[in-house]
Amino acid sequence: GNSVTQMEGPVTLSEEAFLTINCTYTATGYPSLFWYVQYPGEGLQLLLKATKADDKGSNKGFEATYRKETTSFHLEKGSVQVSDSAVYFCALIDTSGSRLTFGEGTQLTVNP
Amino acid sequence: GAGVSQSPSNKVTEKGKDVELRCDPISGHTALYWYRQSLGQGLEFLIYFQGNSAPDKSGLPSDRFSAERTGGSVSTLTIQRTQQEDSAVYLCASSLYRDRNYEQYFGPGTRLTVT
Repeated sequence: GNSVTQMEGPVTLSEEAFLTINCTYTATGYPSLFWYVQYPGEGLQLLLKATKADDKGSNKGFEATYRKETTSFHLEKGSVQVSDSAVYFCALIDTSGSRLTFGEGTQLTVNP
Repeated sequence: GAGVSQSPSNKVTEKGKDVELRCDPISGHTALYWYRQSLGQGLEFLIYFQGNSAPDKSGLPSDRFSAERTGGSVSTLTIQRTQQEDSAVYLCASSLYRDRNYEQYFGPGTRLTVT
């Protein structure tokens, strides 16, 4: 079956530090890949997505590149802000359906 | 426009009682999903509805769980004879179509606590 594995958290960084959250997946066919973010007290929001190999999703300074050869979709940001503190979920939808399969989530805390 | 709404936001119930959780999707969205977020299991799919098609119930953890969607809009997730392991945040999402290229918009969730 499908699965998504994220790096274990929590992750604590200082403001303006570089962020990487690793994500690898197992799926049939060519899935679409997503990063969702959950800010404190809020619902899940789509942060970015990529639907085919070598696509780069980007939003709010965050980027992730769909790497089929390594089955990865790592999230990066060059300079994090306190407002980026949240839980980040990597997810996929495979070609046979539309349900999202999520990773475990990574708690990010950015200190001033 | 209005997003996905869920009610109640919090529900505390005694073990063995039945509960109903409600989801109002974004108007015009044909696909509706239920997920569960719990400490031990992370985020897991429960069920989805697409238009008038038969729902995909393959994620429901037991026959105590059921869901319906009336008139292609509002959905109710029912849990009968609740158990402590049912304690979780229940999330509803909707999308324009049942297709991986269409974003799923999530509601704020219902936090269920079974005592």
